[in-house]
Amino acid sequence: GIQVEQSPPDLILQEGANSTLRCNFSDSVNNLQWFHQNPWGQLINLFYIPSGTKQNGRLSATTVATERYSLLYISSSQTTDSGVYFCAGRGGSQGNLIFGKGTKLSVKP
Amino acid sequence: NAGVTQTPKFQVLKTGQSMTLQCAQDMNHNSMYWYRQDPGMGLRLIYYSASEGTTDKGEVPDGYNVSRLKKQNFLLGLESAAPSQTSVYFCASSPRTRLSSYNEQFFGPGTRLTVL
Repeated sequence: GIQVEQSPPDLILQEGANSTLRCNFSDSVNNLQWFHQNPWGQLINLFYIPSGTKQNGRLSATTVATERYSLLYISSSQTTDSGVYFCAGRGGSQGNLIFGKGTKLSVKP
Repeated sequence: NAGVTQTPKFQVLKTGQSMTLQCAQDMNHNSMYWYRQDPGMGLRLIYYSASEGTTDKGEVPDGYNVSRLKKQNFLLGLESAAPSQTSVYFCASSPRTRLSSYNEQFFGPGTRLTVL
């Protein structure tokens, strides 16, 4: 099956810093999504981005489907950005998402 | 719209007990999913339903059963709970139609289950 690798696994930032999170896929995927899992465990949809670039406030994402990767950019990070960021793509015939193991982000004040 | 809701939020069971986790969505989505999340890992698919009345096994179905009698509800049953089923369970739904490639998944808040 499809493998999803996220990097880095852990990231510590000072408030106000910028960061880039990466997601690599072992094969072509559809319906790529980025999620933020907050400290209370909720999964929040950030982007649905099968290809191209999208921006939402301080966050933006780019997916290059032909090269099997996606990037999530966080600018001017805030303490509320802390949590785990997951990317996931639909690689199975059932339509389920295949998840990476996540990037744990800690933003220090 | 409430989106995807799950009950209960927390549950503690003893080994061998049974229970049902409930999931409801008000977005008129065709597809629904049950995932589990174990510490330090992403989510893994337990069962999937493409439409009302149909279900399919996912990656980790052993020890679970499901039912989708109504389009808006997807139930996950634990027949005889085991400590290995201690996990956080997420329900999700997506439009998934044959007329469109749009298939964004939306997740419920999760149920934290502990089996002693």
